[in-house]
Amino acid sequence: DIQMTQSPSSLSASVGDRVTITCRASQSISSYLNWYQQKPGKAPNLLIYAASSLQSGVPSRFSGSGSGTDFTLTISSLQPEDFATYYCQQSYSTPRTFGQGTKLEIK
Amino acid sequence: QVQLQESGPGLVKPSQTLSLTCTVSGGSISSGSYYWSWIRQPAGKGLEWIGRIYTSGSTNYNPSLKSRVTISVDTSKNQFSLKLSSVTAADTAVYYCARSGYYDSSGYYYYYFDYWGQGTLVTVSS
Repeated sequence: DIQMTQSPSSLSASVGDRVTITCRASQSISSYLNWYQQKPGKAPNLLIYAASSLQSGVPSRFSGSGSGTDFTLTISSLQPEDFATYYCQQSYSTPRTFGQGTKLEIK
Repeated sequence: QVQLQESGPGLVKPSQTLSLTCTVSGGSISSGSYYWSWIRQPAGKGLEWIGRIYTSGSTNYNPSLKSRVTISVDTSKNQFSLKLSSVTAADTAVYYCARSGYYDSSGYYYYYFDYWGQGTLVTVSS
């Protein structure tokens, strides 16, 4: 199985801050990397697919980059509705695996 | 707009079989090159992929659960289902069904989970 490791596990930030979350794969996954946002009691919501493609309807303040084993999700200017948990997920091989999550909290 | 809805018992006894169904609306489960997955999330924890089925009926399972999992599809009802046998308290979780959409980049298929059900909590307890 491909292990996905996110850092940090939690993060405190303020509205308007620029935030970066990192995801590392245990082996090269090319650009087969997706990012999701999950709010309490809700299903995850797709933000970024294929490492850097913005899902339709997702605000442009979200962006993704990386390839191989190292990836980042950046939120350019945090909005109140962005405080949530973020997960990366590889689609290079089965079993599909997720990172452990990064909880973004209000400072 | 595709919508998915999980249904099934919210309480299952230890050693019994957990059975859930996902009903797809807003599109045919048979159309397109989509996979249909089950994913679970224990309370306060991360996401675990259980397995998937293609519209042809071919399946892939997480090796950690493979001996206990069966995923099937009923195209006439636009549904797919999960069975997890010999459950224990460790199987208590919110269970999601999801569609794997894809991006075709010159024959390279980048899959992602683009539509999810709302999730259903299954508790394993006597």
